[in-house]
Amino acid sequence: DGGITQSPKYLFRKEGQNVTLSCEQNLNHDAMYWYRQDPGQGLRLIYYSQIVNDFQKGDIAEGYSVSREKKESFPLTVTSAQKNPTAFYLCASSTGESLGEQFFGPGTRLTVL
Amino acid sequence: GQNIDQPTEMTATEGAIVQINCTYQTSGFNGLFWYQQHAGEAPTFLSYNVLDGLEEKGRFSSFLSRSKGYSYLLLKELQMKDSASYLCAVRGDSGGYNKLIFGAGTRLAVHP
Repeated sequence: DGGITQSPKYLFRKEGQNVTLSCEQNLNHDAMYWYRQDPGQGLRLIYYSQIVNDFQKGDIAEGYSVSREKKESFPLTVTSAQKNPTAFYLCASSTGESLGEQFFGPGTRLTVL
Repeated sequence: GQNIDQPTEMTATEGAIVQINCTYQTSGFNGLFWYQQHAGEAPTFLSYNVLDGLEEKGRFSSFLSRSKGYSYLLLKELQMKDSASYLCAVRGDSGGYNKLIFGAGTRLAVHP
C-alpha cells in the first residue's frame, strides 16, 4: 500500500534537547512538506522540498532543520533554538506539479517537558 | 496579507445538511482545497475547486466564487462519523510550487 508514514506517533523530550521526526513516503512524490499544527490555528508551513537535495524555508522555519538526501525521506529536526516546540507535526507529499493535492501522514505529537 | 476565515465551531443533527463557509484573501489564486481531519489524525482530501461553481462528490459538495473570494463545503445526510474538523486551504501565487495556506479549521459536531 502506498502512503506516508511518520514515526513515532507520540514523542516526549526534555527542554534543550534536539529531536528528529521521521517522514517516509512510497508514493514516488517529488515534493514533501512539514507543517506544524497548534490548537485554534491553521497548519503552518515549516519547510518544503520540491526535489531531492533541495529544500526551502517555509513561514516558520526558525529553530528547525531538514534534509532531503533520498526521494522517500524528509526528516525534520526540532532544535533547542525552537522556543515553543510542543505541537502536532504533520508531514505531507505531492507530485510536485503545481496542481497536485497534498497527502498527509498520521502526524507526530511532540511534547517538550 | 493573506487570510483565510472559517467559523470555529458548528453543530448539526444526524441526517441534516450543513454548510461550512470559507472566505479568503490571498496573493493570487490557483485553487481551493477542503480537507477533513479527525482529532489527532491526518487531514484527508475532500475536494478541489479552481473554477467557479459547484463540485459534487457523493454526500459532499464544494462551491467556489473567485470574484467573492468565497467557498463553502456542503455536507448532506450527516452521519456521526462526520464529526471532525474541516480545513479550507488556498493555493496562492507561490512562484510555481504547491504552497497551501490553511484556515484554522471548523470543528463540526454531529448530534443524534
